[in-house]
Amino acid sequence: ETGVTQTPRHLVMGMTNKKSLKCEQHLGHNAMYWYKQSAKKPLELMFVYSLEERVENNSVPSRFSPECPNSSHLFLHLHTLQPEDSALYLCASSQVLTGRLSGANVLTFGAGSRLTVL
Amino acid sequence: GDSVTQMEGPVTLSEEAFLTINCTYTATGYPSLFWYVQYPGEGLQLLLKATKADDKGSNKGFEATYRKETTSFHLEKGSVQVSDSAVYFCASSSASKIIFGSGTRLSIRP
Repeated sequence: ETGVTQTPRHLVMGMTNKKSLKCEQHLGHNAMYWYKQSAKKPLELMFVYSLEERVENNSVPSRFSPECPNSSHLFLHLHTLQPEDSALYLCASSQVLTGRLSGANVLTFGAGSRLTVL
Repeated sequence: GDSVTQMEGPVTLSEEAFLTINCTYTATGYPSLFWYVQYPGEGLQLLLKATKADDKGSNKGFEATYRKETTSFHLEKGSVQVSDSAVYFCASSSASKIIFGSGTRLSIRP
């Protein structure tokens, strides 16, 4: 496989469930990201992992928990979600040359995981 | 804080029409600017970019010029095709921040 692969592509869960989204990149990149895409809203950066730092958006609720075991894999653990968390969750990766986020950073995105919370 | 504002959609045009999607940004310093495109059922993919003032990014007939004086990066195409139907995102990147606009949905009628 090539590029950035996300699984599952679609997920329906109840508010009391625990599930995880998985992302895998085959590009040799050293940074990975989770974005939330909701209708008519800007893409919301949730979490970033690079070689040297983990960056979080402080407005992300604790019911979302990221895990990055290595530079190729990224997970988003979900628990006790709310209906307003229903959205498309996009994973992306990039090559950060210096280990810090670069201004010319080009992202490669996966196709997304469509989450519906009942 | 830094932000990206792009014209609201949806934008509907006939095939071979001229396209402009406006994008303006606010940033401290001099960001790199991007246009990403999202086709139905897919993630975003890079369409073009410009890293400094007066640079012109181009790809697949699309163009955008980095205008520092007007803090703009408008996307243009001289003759659109049905296959250009997608959602277009303007983005700004500097230091530790990558910021996207809310996206503009483009529909092209045959």
